[in-house]
Amino acid sequence: GESVGLHLPTLSVQEGDNSIINCAYSNSASDYFIWYKQESGKGPQFIIDIRSNMDKRQGQRVTVLLNKTVKHLSLQIAATQPGDSAVYFCAENPNTGGFKTIFGAGTRLFVKA
Amino acid sequence: SQTIHQWPATLVQPVGSPLSLECTVEGTSNPNLYWYRQAAGRGLQLLFYSVGIGQISSEVPQNLSASRPQDRQFILSSKKLLLSDSGFYLCAWSGGGPGYEQYFGPGTRLTVT
Repeated sequence: GESVGLHLPTLSVQEGDNSIINCAYSNSASDYFIWYKQESGKGPQFIIDIRSNMDKRQGQRVTVLLNKTVKHLSLQIAATQPGDSAVYFCAENPNTGGFKTIFGAGTRLFVKA
Repeated sequence: SQTIHQWPATLVQPVGSPLSLECTVEGTSNPNLYWYRQAAGRGLQLLFYSVGIGQISSEVPQNLSASRPQDRQFILSSKKLLLSDSGFYLCAWSGGGPGYEQYFGPGTRLTVT
């Protein structure tokens, strides 16, 4: 469901380590999933997406994994850098015409130098 | 390329005053348009979305309203602001094709005093 009113969980990682951010989605009929990155004071930016007919997709330093059996999505960031510090949101398209996206609660990533 | 603009960037308004936030999109036609609100340290709350001129869907009943007078213009309004209306307001657009990722504007920081 929607994430209104929830405080953000936090993940702290050492620079150079890999980060894994997890997300549970709500609708088994959702067919499209997106990860967004939001830096402080800015709007969210698209990072990577995945369709429900895939279970893994890789980008530059990022990998998204989709487990439809347990309705779980994860974002892996390789060799985390200070510039990766931000809030990360997962989002699902509930396959109801494509006009609404349901955002997860978000996870705040801190990268320690 | 497509760009999305929001203004003003910041706004301080007294309780009971009216509100008008504007969002415009360039470089695309017939976008889906969205207004979100984000409280400090929290997730995204979808307020309104629009799939065409004059077509507005409201997600959260409150003292806000939205209008879409032109294809690429989306306006968020209130007749009388409440303290609880303070937050970070984000406008976003998406296409109607196979990819439904949303592209966000820079946001408006509203403080109601």
